[in-house]
Amino acid sequence: SQQGEEDPQALSIQEGENATMNCSYKTSINNLQWYRQNSGRGLVHLILIRSNEREKHSGRLRVTLDTSKKSSSLLITASRAADTASYFCAAPPYGQNFVFGPGTRLSVLP
Amino acid sequence: GAGVSQSPSNKVTEKGKDVELRCDPISGHTALYWYRQSLGQGLEFLIYFQGNSAPDKSGLPSDRFSAERTGGSVSTLTIQRTQQEDSAVYLCASRLNRGHSSYEQYFGPGTRLTVT
Repeated sequence: SQQGEEDPQALSIQEGENATMNCSYKTSINNLQWYRQNSGRGLVHLILIRSNEREKHSGRLRVTLDTSKKSSSLLITASRAADTASYFCAAPPYGQNFVFGPGTRLSVLP
Repeated sequence: GAGVSQSPSNKVTEKGKDVELRCDPISGHTALYWYRQSLGQGLEFLIYFQGNSAPDKSGLPSDRFSAERTGGSVSTLTIQRTQQEDSAVYLCASRLNRGHSSYEQYFGPGTRLTVT
């Protein structure tokens, strides 16, 4: 079973708008990570939030974590065409390796 | 420093042939993962190596798939008697793993396998 499922599956917005995508998971975690993938090649790590953190910022990225709801959100502010990519979350359960969800495909239109 | 490298970047093979895909992880990274990604889909976990522990092979789809990691560094994923449904991008990732902390995975560029 997957530990980390993103929602929505696809999102299309205009340049300059904010993009929000969500991730749900099932078991207790040590941390939750978000990755980006451009054009079907390797994933790039964006941000990691630990289970004892509720919010974290990195540039235009804002991640929140609600362990009571077993969910996380990734907000990209002032989106750019270059943000067009697939975004994946991974939520490693304690003591286990982790798997990725199916991803959210974000399209930022000029 | 050098990132994760994979070779070949593209591989076209005929159905029924065997293929070997190679991954060179970042030096010092004890954890190594293989994933498969079909067109437009998410990542499918295949296998995980951690140090000298027995690998987690729970994601391998059939006994045609195998992987090894020699000397705790380079890994080879072998697919025997390839089928058309094996066509996908095969991604390798490595990770530093110390104690109970988790670190991010660093991905290679992938190998695009096409079985004709």
